[in-house]
Amino acid sequence: TQLLEQSPQFLSIQEGENLTVYCNSSSVFSSLQWYRQEPGEGPVLLVTVVTGGEVKKLKRLTFQFGDARKDSSLHITAAQPGDTGLYLCAGPRSGGSYIPTFGRGTSLIVHP
Amino acid sequence: NAGVTQTPKFRILKIGQSMTLQCTQDMNHNYMYWYRQDPGMGLKLIYYSVGAGITDKGEVPNGYNVSRSTTEDFPLRLELAAPSQTSVYFCASSRTGGSGNTIYFGEGSWLTVV
Repeated sequence: TQLLEQSPQFLSIQEGENLTVYCNSSSVFSSLQWYRQEPGEGPVLLVTVVTGGEVKKLKRLTFQFGDARKDSSLHITAAQPGDTGLYLCAGPRSGGSYIPTFGRGTSLIVHP
Repeated sequence: NAGVTQTPKFRILKIGQSMTLQCTQDMNHNYMYWYRQDPGMGLKLIYYSVGAGITDKGEVPNGYNVSRSTTEDFPLRLELAAPSQTSVYFCASSRTGGSGNTIYFGEGSWLTVV
């Protein structure tokens, strides 16, 4: 089983701060996805990265896929309380079909 | 805008009881999944299906069963419930496999076994 390690596990910051969360693996992934899960709801896809070195921006969120396709990062600029949630990275399990495996997630709280 | 619908939302079971978590999707997706989520543990895959009539085990299938008689429905059966099955269960679907496919999740079912 390909493992996705996410860090930090918990993050508590003030509104306006910047932060970066990480998703690392010893295996190469053909793609990685980032999801955000708000309390009491299911995860929702934020972005998919497929090319080594790729950078994607979604408003104040910047996602990067490592050159070797073993890691990814999510950077949030000027965090807002609405960014509070669990951030999960996911990648395809080994074996062909895209059956996603998830990391444990980073739980982010942004205080007003 | 139904997407993936799960029922029930909340359920309390006694040890040894059985129940079925229902899941239906209206997006004509071929792939469907059941995950469980425990605090600090992310999402663990229980079972998945790549099409009607086809199911396969995920990482944590013991104590569960599934069926996929139609494209829309993917019920999860818990037999002889145990406290270790206390968790939040998510059903999900995607159009196909392959990189870049969006996984759509239901809102979750909170199950407590006492």
